Amino acid sequence: AQSVTQPDIHITVSEGASLELRCNYSYGATPYLFWYVQSPGQGLQLLLKYFSGDTLVQGIKGFEAEFKRSQSSFNLRKPSVHWSDAAEYFCAVLSNDYKLSFGAGTTVTVRA
Amino acid sequence: DGGITQSPKYLFRKEGQNVTLSCEQNLNHDAMYWYRQDPGQGLRLIYYSQIVNDFQKGDIAEGYSVSREKKESFPLTVTSAQKNPTAFYLCASSIAGNSPLHFGNGTRLTVT
Repeated sequence: AQSVTQPDIHITVSEGASLELRCNYSYGATPYLFWYVQSPGQGLQLLLKYFSGDTLVQGIKGFEAEFKRSQSSFNLRKPSVHWSDAAEYFCAVLSNDYKLSFGAGTTVTVRA
Repeated sequence: DGGITQSPKYLFRKEGQNVTLSCEQNLNHDAMYWYRQDPGQGLRLIYYSQIVNDFQKGDIAEGYSVSREKKESFPLTVTSAQKNPTAFYLCASSIAGNSPLHFGNGTRLTVT
């Protein structure tokens, strides 16, 4: 069965600093991978997705993620964080029976 | 505007009562999903439906029931058999099984 691990429960970063959120997946075949962001009390918004092709994918709000098959990772990055990036971030993997499995999430706090 | 509507945003029930959460989408999506979110556990799949009049159990279906009589509607019933029903419930839809999910804004259910 597929699974996703987000090792960092909480990350604090200064505004303007870079951000990297880690995601490791377990899946036998070529994975479909996603990053979502959630503001408090809201639903989830898709940041970016990886299906195949270029291993560096660009998303909305200035985020990017790199797929590394050798490391089973799909880390999310942003070069310069804004206060509005404070939220919870979820990595997810899609199985071949179309079930999307989520990691436990990483909460990002942005300090001024 | 197209989207997913979950109602109500907050719901309170007494223990032992069944309660139905509404989810409506006007995106013309075939697939719909119900997730449960608890702090520190990410999102867990309750039920999903790839097409009208058909649905499958997710990872934590016990104590829940669904119906999919119309393409745009996928109501979730939390029954009295669900041992820990208090949670944030998210409904989602997608064009097809391997497409990104679009989420509603959730319903927070509190059972006392």
